[in-house]
Amino acid sequence: DQQVKQNSPSLSVQEGRISILNCDYTNSMFDYFLWYKKYPAEGPTFLISISSIKDKNEDGRFTVFLNKSAKHLSLHIVPSQPGDSAVYFCAASPGNTPLVFGKGTRLSVIA
Amino acid sequence: DAGVIQSPRHEVTEMGQEVTLRCKPISGHNSLFWYRQTMMRGLELLIYFNNNVPIDDSGMPEDRFSAKMPNASFSTLKIQPSEPRDSAVYFCASSLGVRPQETQYFGPGTRLLVL
Repeated sequence: DQQVKQNSPSLSVQEGRISILNCDYTNSMFDYFLWYKKYPAEGPTFLISISSIKDKNEDGRFTVFLNKSAKHLSLHIVPSQPGDSAVYFCAASPGNTPLVFGKGTRLSVIA
Repeated sequence: DAGVIQSPRHEVTEMGQEVTLRCKPISGHNSLFWYRQTMMRGLELLIYFNNNVPIDDSGMPEDRFSAKMPNASFSTLKIQPSEPRDSAVYFCASSLGVRPQETQYFGPGTRLLVL
């Protein structure tokens, strides 16, 4: 049973436009959420995180939004660049335990 | 720092053979994680260690899988005997601790193909 769901396996966006990647979770005990980015033939790298006490966290072109009532978070990339093309993993944790990852969404930014 | 080092990067083996994957975590990190990535299941945690002690191996799919961490700078994941369904990319990651606020640093992965 997938506790962290990324229902869109892939997404294509034009360069300069906004990319929105979505993630849903089922475990109401999750209180910390992260996004990792993965390029081909490399391991995932940490991108941005958010605690459940917040509803938004911003880091440059990347913003993560958390809607606890809907058990939904999203990653916004503005503006999207070709170098953003990668697989993005959503992850969550209930606290002092390791992360639970989603299946990932492949983002393609078209020049 | 060299980051997390994994070897081999690629492994092709025949069904029934033993496979050993190796990982050297970042120096000073106390926690080590083994993950498996497949198209069907995404990135799933197999086992993790804290201070060289296995904490949770509930993600290990079967008794054919075993992992060890004999010291702070080395860990192995062994599959014996291997099966075609074990084909996947296996990642090792390390962090200062197991809390989610402690960033996990991933190695480049070992791509395993079992024929």
